[in-house]
Amino acid sequence: EIVMTQSPATLSVSPGERATLSCRASQSISSRLAWYQQKPGQAPRLLIYGASTRATGVPARFSGSESGTEFTLTISSLQSEDFAVYHCQQYNEWPNTFGQGTKLEMK
Amino acid sequence: EVQLLESGGGLVQPGGSLRLSCAASGFTFNTYAMSWVRQAPGKGLEWVSSFVSPTENTLYANSVKGRFTISRDTSSKTVSLQMNSLRADDTAVYYCALRIHVVGTIDYWGQGSLVTVSS
Repeated sequence: EIVMTQSPATLSVSPGERATLSCRASQSISSRLAWYQQKPGQAPRLLIYGASTRATGVPARFSGSESGTEFTLTISSLQSEDFAVYHCQQYNEWPNTFGQGTKLEMK
Repeated sequence: EVQLLESGGGLVQPGGSLRLSCAASGFTFNTYAMSWVRQAPGKGLEWVSSFVSPTENTLYANSVKGRFTISRDTSSKTVSLQMNSLRADDTAVYYCALRIHVVGTIDYWGQGSLVTVSS
């Protein structure tokens, strides 16, 4: 089973600043990496798939990148509605696996 | 509009059984993969099971294999998860999930159904 490791567990950033979240896969996943946003009491929402393609309706301030087995979600200028938990997920092989999540909180 | 409505959650004793159902609408039901994903209290997400279209293959996480069974009823547009031999670590919110665009991702989620396994 592929293990996904997210860092940091919690990230404190001020509104308007840039946030960088990391996700590492235990083996190659061929860009089959998705990012989801989850707000308290809500189901997750797909943000990014294919490591860098934004899902429909996702603002351009969200971007994804990759370098080998390291993946990054960048939010260029944080808005109040962006403070949430972010999950990465690999879908290169079954079982699809998630990271443990990064909580993005307001500084 | 896509809608996924879960039902069947609740409190069950260890070793007991429970059946979750997900009523789907707003899309061509038997075309896309449907899955169950769970989230234990304060924890991350875990992909539990998938029903793959059009092959009708079923997939299970190692943690539930042999205990859980996913099924689909095309006539009622419902996906179900039969959960047997439940354990305390099965306690979680269970989400019904739908993939439409990219294989392996989830485009739509239900509101979630809480399953609590406790004596």
